[in-house]
This record gives sequence, C-alpha cells and structure tokens, in this order.
Amino acid sequence: DTGVSQDPRHKITKRGQNVTFRCDPISEHNRLYWYRQTLGQGPEFLTYFQNEAQLEKSRLLSDRFSAERPKGSFSTLEIQRTEQGDSAMYLCASSLDVFTTYGYTFGSGTRLTVV
Amino acid sequence: QKEVEQNSGPLSVPEGAIASLNCTYSDRGSQSFFWYRQYSGKSPELIMFIYSNGDKEDGRFTAQLNKASQYVSLLIRDSQPSDSATYLCAVEETNRDDKIIFGKGTRLHILP
Repeated sequence: DTGVSQDPRHKITKRGQNVTFRCDPISEHNRLYWYRQTLGQGPEFLTYFQNEAQLEKSRLLSDRFSAERPKGSFSTLEIQRTEQGDSAMYLCASSLDVFTTYGYTFGSGTRLTVV
Repeated sequence: QKEVEQNSGPLSVPEGAIASLNCTYSDRGSQSFFWYRQYSGKSPELIMFIYSNGDKEDGRFTAQLNKASQYVSLLIRDSQPSDSATYLCAVEETNRDDKIIFGKGTRLHILP
C-alpha cells in the first residue's frame, strides 16, 4: 500500500488520558499535515511539516497537543489530558512541494472518542 | 478570518440529472481551488482542482471558477447513486503554496 497510513483507525479513551496517533505519509512526499474534522464540519488545519521542520501550528492546537516528525518520515500527534471536546476525526495528509497541482492525499483518519 | 462558504444541504438530485454544487471564498488572492469528495465515515478524496478562470472538465465532473466573483462550482453530469457524498470545497491561502482551507461541505443525495 503506497497511500498515507494512519494508526490506529479508532481510539476510545477516558477523559484525562493521553493518546498518540501515528501517520506514515507517501514516501516521496516531503510535506505532512494534520487536520481535525468534527461532524458536519470541514477539515480544520492543525499543523504542518516540511520534512522534519514544523512550520506552522494553528491556534486550535492548544498546549495539550504536540506533533513531531523525526527524520522527516512518519509523524506522531499526541494529545495530553484529553477532553470530550477533543473527540473528532484526526486526518493526516501528505503532498509534494507542487501540491497546488495535486492537492493533498489524505489517510483514512483516526477517529477519537473521549468518554 | 479567511472563509470558504458552502451550503450544507442536503442537495437532492434525481439520478441522471446534473448536480450543481457552489462555493464562495473570502481570500481574494487565492489562486488554486480544489473539490474533495467524502463518503460517510471516510476521508476526503481529491476529485478536481482548478486554478484558471473558466471551466475544467474531467469525465462527468466540471469545475467552474470565477475569481472576480470569488466563486467556484462543481457540476456532476449524469448523476449516479454512487455520487451521494459530501463535497468539500478547498481554497489555497493567498501567497501560500502549502496550505488549503476547507469549507464545511455540501451533502449530495442522488435519488434513484
């Protein structure tokens, strides 16, 4: 499978617990994005990496959220002290530098439910 | 606040008819525009992109762009039940070749 891979597909956690999600982009894509999508809404930008450098973080990303992309390959998104409002689909996408022609390729997403 | 506006729907269209989906955006300097299709419970899938004023056709899909009116549309000809999905309009931020903003999407329902 040469697409964007996300793990796990589903995560149910209790409020206050920490969770970590993983994204493996398409191998030749140097850009990696995290978006969050809640029911009835479009994807909202969270953060973005060019290779291993995190170039932008949305103000939606509170201090409880952290993302890494060591060595410019896979990325992890960690949420500490989860809250019910964190329940959403977390989408990872990757692209080439010329994304404006090809857009993003999304992974299948990780659906988080905080109970 | 840069915005991408879409009617949330649902838009119901008889099978075989033309479905017309519309999108307006606030960022006047945006240059690239995308349409994604998202089936329920699935992730978005890119179906069209356009960056020049006018029409762009790909099979049963036609994207239309009018930068002066800040308006993008997607036409689906010969609509099929399998076209039933949410269609997300996405717009590149001005002077950013690395970030796009999504609308909330329009739910399309094709009536058999």
